[in-house]
Amino acid sequence: GENVEQHPSTLSVQEGDSAVIKCTYSDSASNYFPWYKQELGKGPQLIIDIRSNVGEKKDQRIAVTLNKTAKHFSLHITETQPEDSAVYFCAASIGGGGADGLTFGKGTHLIIQP
Amino acid sequence: DAGVIQSPRHEVTEMGQEVTLRCKPISGHNSLFWYRQTMMRGLELLIYFNNNVPIDDSGMPEDRFSAKMPNASFSTLKIQPSEPRDSAVYFCASSLARGTYEQYFGPGTRLTVT
Repeated sequence: GENVEQHPSTLSVQEGDSAVIKCTYSDSASNYFPWYKQELGKGPQLIIDIRSNVGEKKDQRIAVTLNKTAKHFSLHITETQPEDSAVYFCAASIGGGGADGLTFGKGTHLIIQP
Repeated sequence: DAGVIQSPRHEVTEMGQEVTLRCKPISGHNSLFWYRQTMMRGLELLIYFNNNVPIDDSGMPEDRFSAKMPNASFSTLKIQPSEPRDSAVYFCASSLARGTYEQYFGPGTRLTVT
């Protein structure tokens, strides 16, 4: 089955700086790659996603890049703010997340230092 | 839209007791997923349904776990008998199986088995 590796497990950045979280996946058939943000005591919240026919997608301060050849994808957050502090999860799906389950990475605890 | 609704939010039970977790997906969604989150294993897919039919239950850890979806607006995850190692946060998520890939998570049920 699919295996998703995520790095780093903890990331501390100064407010206003950029943060980058990286993930690799094992199954070349995977075609959908979402990112979730989870705050303490809450369920994961979808923040951005990318499909295999796209190399990059951006939404305001958040961007995701995908390299299908290398089987890795990354989350980029620019101009970080205190409210960005949370645990971020990457995931991958073979059938498209709508009709198929997601395989998650272990998460990255992002800490924004004031 | 109320989002995915889960109940109870917290459940504390003794080993050997039966536990039933409940989920109401977003209205109109036809795929439903059950995930479990622990510190050791992260977020794991347990089972998912498309149009009320179980598609893949390979993630269900043991025969003590069972899930049903009697109609499009309700699902249950049952553990009988419960064990301390079942302690975790259980999430339900829903999505449209066609035309979109996004999965939306509920707030979760924190289960503690003593």
